Amino acid sequence: DTGVSQDPRHKITKRGQNVTFRCDPISEHNRLYWYRQTLGQGPEFLTYFQNEAQLEKSRLLSDRFSAERPKGSFSTLEIQRTEQGDSAMYLCASKPGQAGNEQFFGPGTRLTVL
Amino acid sequence: AQSVAQPEDQVNVAEGNPLTVKCTYSVSGNPYLFWYVQYPNRGLQFLLKYITGDNLVKGSYGFEAEFNKSQTSFHLKKPSALVSDSALYFCAVRALLTGGGNKLTFGTGTQLKVEL
Repeated sequence: DTGVSQDPRHKITKRGQNVTFRCDPISEHNRLYWYRQTLGQGPEFLTYFQNEAQLEKSRLLSDRFSAERPKGSFSTLEIQRTEQGDSAMYLCASKPGQAGNEQFFGPGTRLTVL
Repeated sequence: AQSVAQPEDQVNVAEGNPLTVKCTYSVSGNPYLFWYVQYPNRGLQFLLKYITGDNLVKGSYGFEAEFNKSQTSFHLKKPSALVSDSALYFCAVRALLTGGGNKLTFGTGTQLKVEL
C-alpha cells in the first residue's frame, strides 16, 4: 500500500453514461497526476495538478474528460458520454514538490465501457 | 521528446538465476530514470531511481540497476531471482511539462516470469 487510494476500484458502465473517479493522494504531497493504462501498454500521462491548479493536460484528454482538485487535496476525474475506447485502467499518483522524487501510485480504477 | 524503450515483452528465468530486464532511453539533458513493478490488478510500486551519482543504484527487494550514459541504458538486475518476482516491470524517464513540473514517460513494460 503506497498511501494513495482510489475509488472505485472497478467500474462497469454503458456507453454514453458519465462516470467519476476519485483519488486521495498522500496528504503532504502537493503534486497529483492522472495516467491511463491500456492492455499491453505503459501508463500514459493525462493531467497534472500542483496544489489545486491544473497545470498541464495531455492531448489524450478530450473535451469529454475533466479533472479537478478542489482545495489541493483529493482529485476527481470525470468522463462524460463514455465510449468503448475509454475502457482502461485509470491511475492516480502523487509526489512531494522536490525534484527527482518518485511518484507514488494508487491501485487504479479499472473502467469497462459496454 | 523523452522516450523509453523496453525491447523485450517477456523475460523468462529460473529461480535462483540472475535476471536482467533491459531499458534504453532518449532524453535531452540529464536523465532522471525510474523502475516500477506492477502486480496483476494493482497499481505501480516504485523500485529504484537514478538521479545523479553512482551508476549502480540499489533499490527495493534486492533489485539494482546500472546506469550507462554512453549506451543510454538503465537495465534492471537482480543476482538471484525469486518466483515472487514474477510481475510486469516498467522503466520510466522524467519528462518536463511546458506548464512547469514534470511527468513520467513509461516504456511498454516487460513481463518477468520466474520458474521453479
